Amino acid sequence: GENVEQHPSTLSVQEGDSAVIKCTYSDSASNYFPWYKQELGKGPQLIIDIRSNVGEKKDQRIAVTLNKTAKHFSLHITETQPEDSAVYFCAANQGGKLIFGQGTELSVKP
Amino acid sequence: GAGVSQTPSNKVTEKGKYVELRCDPISGHTALYWYRQSLGQGPEFLIYFQGTGAADDSGLPNDRFFAVRPEGSVSTLKIQRTERGDSAVYLCASSANGGFFYAEQFFGPGTRLTVL
Repeated sequence: GENVEQHPSTLSVQEGDSAVIKCTYSDSASNYFPWYKQELGKGPQLIIDIRSNVGEKKDQRIAVTLNKTAKHFSLHITETQPEDSAVYFCAANQGGKLIFGQGTELSVKP
Repeated sequence: GAGVSQTPSNKVTEKGKYVELRCDPISGHTALYWYRQSLGQGPEFLIYFQGTGAADDSGLPNDRFFAVRPEGSVSTLKIQRTERGDSAVYLCASSANGGFFYAEQFFGPGTRLTVL
């Protein structure tokens, strides 16, 4: 089955800096890769996703890149703000279900 | 419009008891998913419904866990003879069309289950 590895587990940046979170997956049949943001006590919220026929997608300060050959994808957040502080999860689909990474706790210091 | 709702938000029970957790998906969403999230971990898939039928229940850990969706809308996750290891946040998600692998899954706030 699919296995998703996520790094780093914690990330601390200064406000205004960029943050990068990386994930690898094992199943070449996966074709959908969403990223979720989870704040304390809340459910995960989708922030951006990418499909396997696209190499890069951008939405304002957030971008995701996908390398199908290497089976890895990354989340890039530019001009970080304190409200970006949360736990971020990558995921890959296996059939209709999602397989999640272990999460990255991002802390943005003012 | 209303998002995915889950009740109760918190449930404390004793070892060996039976619990039911409820999920109300976004209106019109045909696919419904249950995940379990342990502290410091990512959500772990349990079961997925397409309409009334379970399309994939490969994530249910054992036969103490069961879920239903009798009318293709609300779903109930049932746990028999609860164990301390069942303590976790149980998340529900729904999507407009689970048949398409790209369908965005919208998550509810979760039910925090604590087994004493």
